[in-house]
Amino acid sequence: NAGVTQTPKFRILKIGQSMTLQCTQDMNHNYMYWYRQDPGMGLKLIYYSVGAGITDKGEVPNGYNVSRSTTEDFPLRLELAAPSQTSVYFCASSFIDSEGGAFFGQGTRLTVV
Amino acid sequence: GIQVEQSPPDLILQEGANSTLRCNFSDSVNNLQWFHQNPWGQLINLFYIPSGTKQNGRLSATTVATERYSLLYISSSQTTDSGVYFCAVEAWDDKIIFGKGTRLHILP
Repeated sequence: NAGVTQTPKFRILKIGQSMTLQCTQDMNHNYMYWYRQDPGMGLKLIYYSVGAGITDKGEVPNGYNVSRSTTEDFPLRLELAAPSQTSVYFCASSFIDSEGGAFFGQGTRLTVV
Repeated sequence: GIQVEQSPPDLILQEGANSTLRCNFSDSVNNLQWFHQNPWGQLINLFYIPSGTKQNGRLSATTVATERYSLLYISSSQTTDSGVYFCAVEAWDDKIIFGKGTRLHILP
């Protein structure tokens, strides 16, 4: 099992550009999450999904969109990138009610210039 | 929403020392996890511990759900234990919320 895979690992965007961060998991987990981590800070929840076709806002959803068309994939879309979105983005997945714990990808380091 | 507070925010110890990290949460939770973020940024699962006590080598954790706190114990610290330790709780709305972490630095 590869676990949770995020692509790309690094990306530099110009202000106003858009991009999609990809996240896929092969553990048949129902729940998936997107977090951002600013330097020296904790993780903030952007969006989460409890199953295919269902998404909900987290703590900091503004400027982002998500979709969950399959159990395996949970892409995060940035529209009109801003310098405030410079951060490390983590995707995670778990079984229902995070039974057994949530497992994280390696992260995507995004810089908006 | 639920609040998760970790203490202390920073901790510097000599190699071989023991430490206790604390996580308080403001409401009842479904689940609780402890993570270690290493200097390369990778998040490593340490414990999934909604209640009770678990041990894994030099690390152990205890969660007292009725009193809304969890403790992570690190014994005989090694330099490889350095990094940030996060507590994360799953609230009843399915959100997993992180504390701000405890930054641990072990001196050789």
